[in-house]
Amino acid sequence: DADVTQTPRNRITKTGKRIMLECSQTKGHDRMYWYRQDPGLGLRLIYYSFDVKDINKGEISDGYSVSRQAQAKFSLSLESAIPNQTALYFCATSGPSSTDTQYFGPGTRLTVL
Amino acid sequence: AQSVAQPEDQVNVAEGNPLTVKCTYSVSGNPYLFWYVQYPNRGLQFLLKYITGDNLVKGSYGFEAEFNKSQTSFHLKKPSALVSDSALYFCAVRVNNRKLIWGLGTSLAVNP
Repeated sequence: DADVTQTPRNRITKTGKRIMLECSQTKGHDRMYWYRQDPGLGLRLIYYSFDVKDINKGEISDGYSVSRQAQAKFSLSLESAIPNQTALYFCATSGPSSTDTQYFGPGTRLTVL
Repeated sequence: AQSVAQPEDQVNVAEGNPLTVKCTYSVSGNPYLFWYVQYPNRGLQFLLKYITGDNLVKGSYGFEAEFNKSQTSFHLKKPSALVSDSALYFCAVRVNNRKLIWGLGTSLAVNP
């Protein structure tokens, strides 16, 4: 079984709808991250959480919110989706050290019409 | 500002030839450097990292990277490219337990 899972894997929605993307991990890591990937823009950090009670905004948090329900679960919500939020979204986890590797989920491809 | 640059958007190489994917960085402090690969329709997979010690780091799938402090570079290399190496490659750097800073990625195409 994959260590980091994301649901759904693909989602098509309409402008104005609320969408939740879910991430679960079995690596026992405290740190979790949400990124979006757009062609030519690389990976951009949306939110990150260093533990259940610690949530921080990343570079591009506007229009997004997150919930850390447990150590293993970190959800990303789009309160009112807009077309420029069409992107590939990745969840990642890591240990607490600067030298720790981030492990990524398979991604969610979101299309907002 | 701290940054990572991958100066080539795309690299093309013939199968069997050596490949290099370039990465340079600009940070204050000691960097920890990472390479990831993304195959089509997949998430990012960790390839290798430099923490300290030997400047030549060996990783997965026959890849290696050389840390060069004076040139602030961490180029990814492989002696003999495979068609299956065709993918998107990302370089990233972290300093002092802050967030990872990502390059924009380099698309590697290995031609048969």
